[in-house]
Amino acid sequence: EPEVTQTPSHQVTQMGQEVILRCVPISNHLYFYWYRQILGQKVEFLVSFYNNEISEKSEIFDDQFSVERPDGSNFTLKIRSTKLEDSAMYFCASSEDRGETQYFGPGTRLLVL
Amino acid sequence: QQQVKQSPQSLIVQKGGISIINCAYENTAFDYFPWYQQFPGKGPALLIAIRPDVSEKKEGRFTISFNKSAKQFSLHIMDSQPGDSATYFCAAIQGGSEKLVFGKGTKLTVNP
Repeated sequence: EPEVTQTPSHQVTQMGQEVILRCVPISNHLYFYWYRQILGQKVEFLVSFYNNEISEKSEIFDDQFSVERPDGSNFTLKIRSTKLEDSAMYFCASSEDRGETQYFGPGTRLLVL
Repeated sequence: QQQVKQSPQSLIVQKGGISIINCAYENTAFDYFPWYQQFPGKGPALLIAIRPDVSEKKEGRFTISFNKSAKQFSLHIMDSQPGDSATYFCAAIQGGSEKLVFGKGTKLTVNP
């Protein structure tokens, strides 16, 4: 069964450093998403991406964040200058169409020291 | 308006029992309501989903009941098993949006 994959599974970084989280969505899906989950809290939407541009973003997704689909398979989330409060589990998801089921990857646990 | 309120926060059920998790919403523009199951260290996995044009959907031991007038929906897990022990999230998405709004989650423990 096709699945969303994410790398790395864990990332430790120093405050102020840039990190790039990588995702490979399900191959025939057209919509891609990033969510985050701070430890013990609910899953929060960050951004959605369609047709090589951001289609929707939350107030959390400020200028420190960017997304890119650098090739036909990868989808990345970049955090330019990490803060302590960026420590969270970051999930990539994808769906065939808007409003359809979103399938989540296993997540990248980011720890900012 | 954009919130989905989920209860209880935690639930302990004996093996073979029924687990019931409830969610409520205010935004009447929500038109898709999935439930996700999450095991520790893993991503949320879709369990079952419903649209507001039906009042109930059943898949195996899992049933969603949907009450449009009350703006509530619930997940029932029949014959609960220890392997069902996980955190369950209800969610909702508004028509025309791509943003899933999650509830705070319910940690279910099924004792053997």
